[in-house]
Amino acid sequence: RKEVEQDPGPFNVPEGATVAFNCTYSNSASQSFFWYRQDCRKEPKLLMSVYSSGNEDGRFTAQLNRASQYISLLIRDSKLSDSATYLCVVILAAPGGSYIPTFGRGTSLIVHP
Amino acid sequence: DGGITQSPKYLFRKEGQNVTLSCEQNLNHDAMYWYRQDPGQGLRLIYYSQIVNDFQKGDIAEGYSVSREKKESFPLTVTSAQKNPTAFYLCASSTPWGEGNYGYTFGSGTRLTVV
Repeated sequence: RKEVEQDPGPFNVPEGATVAFNCTYSNSASQSFFWYRQDCRKEPKLLMSVYSSGNEDGRFTAQLNRASQYISLLIRDSKLSDSATYLCVVILAAPGGSYIPTFGRGTSLIVHP
Repeated sequence: DGGITQSPKYLFRKEGQNVTLSCEQNLNHDAMYWYRQDPGQGLRLIYYSQIVNDFQKGDIAEGYSVSREKKESFPLTVTSAQKNPTAFYLCASSTPWGEGNYGYTFGSGTRLTVV
């Protein structure tokens, strides 16, 4: 089982729609969680961190459910410019006591007019 | 402005050749990472380094080598032993996790094509 799993999609939604993505992780000792956005042929960029209490940034809401080991990203009032791949990132402990980010494969979102 | 720079942006390699991808950062980050991304796939970790003069293999280190002689630099060599090197290579750097504001930043990537 992969350490971090996402539905690859694509999610094809009209402008103005609300869309939600989930990401599950297998290691209960995972420490921190993030959502990154990657545009086609570009590098990933941080969208938002995910806090235990849930957090919101404009149209974007991130939630963490430690009991069920998943995080979610909700996008309200989708814009054409939201079309991208959304990567789930989990910080896992590595041998030697370091912590490294582990990426999901990403979920593709296509927002159409 | 601080950032992380990868070069070249595009690289063409003949079969059997070694090539080195450059990654430089001026963010004063201790940790640096190399990932490979294939079309429609996620990021796979090749090597990472938490501190100068030390690095560890990631999930797909075979056919690659790295060095970390300076804090700012973490070059990746794709050797002829890498059977399928055509991919998008991403370098990243970060502050140590757990030390306050965790920052993780990517370079703009290098597209390597074997011809």
